[in-house]
Amino acid sequence: GAVVSQHPSWVICKSGTSVKIECRSLDFQATTMFWYRQFPKQSLMLMATSNEGSKATYEQGVEKDKFLINHASLTLSTLTVTSAHPEDSSFYICSARDVQAANTGELFFGEGSRLTVL
Amino acid sequence: QQQVKQSPQSLIVQKGGISIINCAYENTAFDYFPWYQQFPGKGPALLIAIRPDVSEKKEGRFTISFNKSAKQFSLHIMDSQPGDSATYFCAASPNFNKFYFGSGTKLNVKP
Repeated sequence: GAVVSQHPSWVICKSGTSVKIECRSLDFQATTMFWYRQFPKQSLMLMATSNEGSKATYEQGVEKDKFLINHASLTLSTLTVTSAHPEDSSFYICSARDVQAANTGELFFGEGSRLTVL
Repeated sequence: QQQVKQSPQSLIVQKGGISIINCAYENTAFDYFPWYQQFPGKGPALLIAIRPDVSEKKEGRFTISFNKSAKQFSLHIMDSQPGDSATYFCAASPNFNKFYFGSGTKLNVKP
């Protein structure tokens, strides 16, 4: 199956610093990628929809200046958590749809990135 | 407001038994209903999915039952195995534009 790679898989940072998480589709092109946040033992909450070559669409309540999303190419989207604080600690997961298989609806998920802000 | 409601929150099944997880939705614009399996520390993986034009879909030991009039769908895992122990999420999507996830069910299959 299609592979979505996330990097880093885990990161620890100090409060006030910024952290960038990369999401790559390794063997397919993705015009749309989705970023989710998952708290322990909870569901995936959609943060934003990332569209290649255009601005991301953020869900209600998600601060776009805090969570910067860039989708510079058909295989790469990045999420930057700016001025991170302990409450930003979470598991961040990206997903992507193969542009060639858009009608199947299948989402391919990355392995997730665990962020811990000290 | 949660778009997709999932139950139970946790489930314990004996090996060889049937695991059943239920989901309900309200938005009639949803037209794609996938189930995902997630192991600890990993991203979710698609298990099986159904469109509303059919009432059941079976793939191996996994079956989705779909009741359009009741706006409910369920996952049945036949002959449950310890390796099936994971968290299962149902989801719903309107034309694949966004995916709304249920709250998850943690399944524990006892040997």
